[in-house]
Amino acid sequence: ETGVTQSPTHLIKTRGQQVTLRCSSQSGHNTVSWYQQALGQGPQFIFQYYREEENGRGNFPPRFSGLQFPNYSSELNVNALELDDSALYLCASSFMVTGELFFGEGSRLTVL
Amino acid sequence: KNQVEQSPQSLIILEGKNCTLQCNYTVSPFSNLRWYKQDTGRGPVSLTIMTFSENTKSNGRYTATLDADTKQSSLHITASQLSDSASYICVVSGGYQKVTFGIGTKLQVIP
Repeated sequence: ETGVTQSPTHLIKTRGQQVTLRCSSQSGHNTVSWYQQALGQGPQFIFQYYREEENGRGNFPPRFSGLQFPNYSSELNVNALELDDSALYLCASSFMVTGELFFGEGSRLTVL
Repeated sequence: KNQVEQSPQSLIILEGKNCTLQCNYTVSPFSNLRWYKQDTGRGPVSLTIMTFSENTKSNGRYTATLDADTKQSSLHITASQLSDSASYICVVSGGYQKVTFGIGTKLQVIP
């Protein structure tokens, strides 16, 4: 158990819809990173939040957005869903931006 | 371009046997290297973390090695168990925000 919780664990959406995924970080961690993991691939960095501000972004379009709250929990929002957005979305918390990553169990998104 | 390459892509071994997984990286600058175990459909769990000055680190039946000169790491699993069946991901940090993941080695341990 890493202390990082994600919700929902599974969800199904249709093309064009919007989705919000949530992550509660481990106690004492002030940094949250989000990753997209397609089937059979390694996780791809989406963005990182540190003290409620975006602190780095991977090669993802603006329809991927996020938030971090004062309690350091975080949301990932994806607008105008596409079929290729189907993946496991992983949240990882850390203490400071270069700290060891502790992953949640992920949210499995299927876009039909 | 920062890259992490793992081999083999997949591996099947008999329960009780040993195996070694490889990771080569081109990440620069180098901060640390981590091995994660990821069960299917679940989040990765850290096995070891190694910095530039460390060349061996053990965690139970898992032993990781690091050669920072050749930019290679290995993960050795001793006396494999069925529960070791998972993907093993090598992750290299190049400092601030620069975290690069390998695609993993899928290990299957059979009775």
